[in-house]
Amino acid sequence: RKEVEQDPGPFNVPEGATVAFNCTYSNSASQSFFWYRQDCRKEPKLLMSVYSSGNEDGRFTAQLNRASQYISLLIRDSKLSDSATYLCAVASGGSYIPTFGRGTSLIVHP
Amino acid sequence: ETGVTQTPRHLVMGMTNKKSLKCEQHLGHNAMYWYKQSAKKPLELMFVYSLEERVENNSVPSRFSPECPNSSHLFLHLHTLQPEDSALYLCASTAVAGGYGYTFGSGTRLTVV
Repeated sequence: RKEVEQDPGPFNVPEGATVAFNCTYSNSASQSFFWYRQDCRKEPKLLMSVYSSGNEDGRFTAQLNRASQYISLLIRDSKLSDSATYLCAVASGGSYIPTFGRGTSLIVHP
Repeated sequence: ETGVTQTPRHLVMGMTNKKSLKCEQHLGHNAMYWYKQSAKKPLELMFVYSLEERVENNSVPSRFSPECPNSSHLFLHLHTLQPEDSALYLCASTAVAGGYGYTFGSGTRLTVV
């Protein structure tokens, strides 16, 4: 089993839709969780951290499910500009250097 | 300049060439990283430097040689690369090794011919 797994997609959704992605991780000792956004031919940029209690930033909500070992990202009221690849990153104790998933591609269409 | 700057943005090199990638961070961070991103693959950690000392080397072939002369600069020296080494090479920094949230440079898109 891969350390960090994501459905590559693409997820094709209309503007205004709500879309959710999951990211599963294999190491139960993982302690830090992040979502990054990567636009086409650009570098990843930190979108948000994922706390045990969940994290909301405007239209974006990130949640952690330790029992099932996955994190999720929910995007409400999708905009065309949300089209990108969303990478999850998971870090375990010790080095705390995260392992990245391969990303989930989102395409928001008019 | 602010953030993390990488040069060159694009590089085409032959398998017998020697070239270097440069990364500079203006954030006062103490840790810097090299990642490789290939199509349809996750980001692969290559090297980690903390306070100019290499703290991790992820079984990277010796044809890739990192150098960190100070906490603001990081180089990746390339020689006798293979076509499969073609990828996007990303530099990143954090305040401390394994610290919260990376700041990535814009990357060098490398093509080996």
